[in-house]
Amino acid sequence: DTAVSQTPKYLVTQMGNDKSIKCEQNLGHDTMYWYKQDSKKFLKIMFSYNNKELIINETVPNRFSPKSPDKAHLNLHINSLELGDSAVYFCASFPSGGNSYEQYFGPGTRLTVT
Amino acid sequence: GEDVEQSLFLSVREGDSSVINCTYTDSSSTYLYWYKQEPGAGLQLLTYIFSNMDMKQDQRLTVLLNKKDKHLSLRIADTQTGDSAIYFCAESPYSSASKIIFGSGTRLSIRP
Repeated sequence: DTAVSQTPKYLVTQMGNDKSIKCEQNLGHDTMYWYKQDSKKFLKIMFSYNNKELIINETVPNRFSPKSPDKAHLNLHINSLELGDSAVYFCASFPSGGNSYEQYFGPGTRLTVT
Repeated sequence: GEDVEQSLFLSVREGDSSVINCTYTDSSSTYLYWYKQEPGAGLQLLTYIFSNMDMKQDQRLTVLLNKKDKHLSLRIADTQTGDSAIYFCAESPYSSASKIIFGSGTRLSIRP
């Protein structure tokens, strides 16, 4: 069973379009994240949700809007896509509370904007 | 502020030891981590060390922490071709144990 899954794995789209990528975790974790990894492999946190509430919102254009319908899902909607949005987007989850220390990552969604 | 730095590339001969270094700025870090990313895959936790420890060994992996210098290293003994990957150093700031700050990653390549 996949612990953290993302769909789609690859997404190719044109500038100006709106797209969504989805994430689901079956680990029962309370906290979920979106990270962006650029072409140089730099990994930056974008958002974090804890029990459907936004707790971390780094400096991200407001074209990016996360949505958490329940604590097992965290989706990322991107409006008016730009060339610079091309990257690999990783979802992760975290078992907050107690002695938790490990974030569990999904396989990534490679977004290419043309 | 919170910042994690590491060199971008390391090349070692198969069978030798690899040492990947990392420095961080937040002296109140609780956990320090090493994550591994293989091509086309997500990040996988390799090992971690709690900030009150100075060494941790796990099979071929040895983590050394120098809190005074804010320096973390990962030693991989008997490096194999399957160790080729990007290795990310990361820290959890005390202010938020669920927030992890990643370094830029070190790409480890293995020469025959």
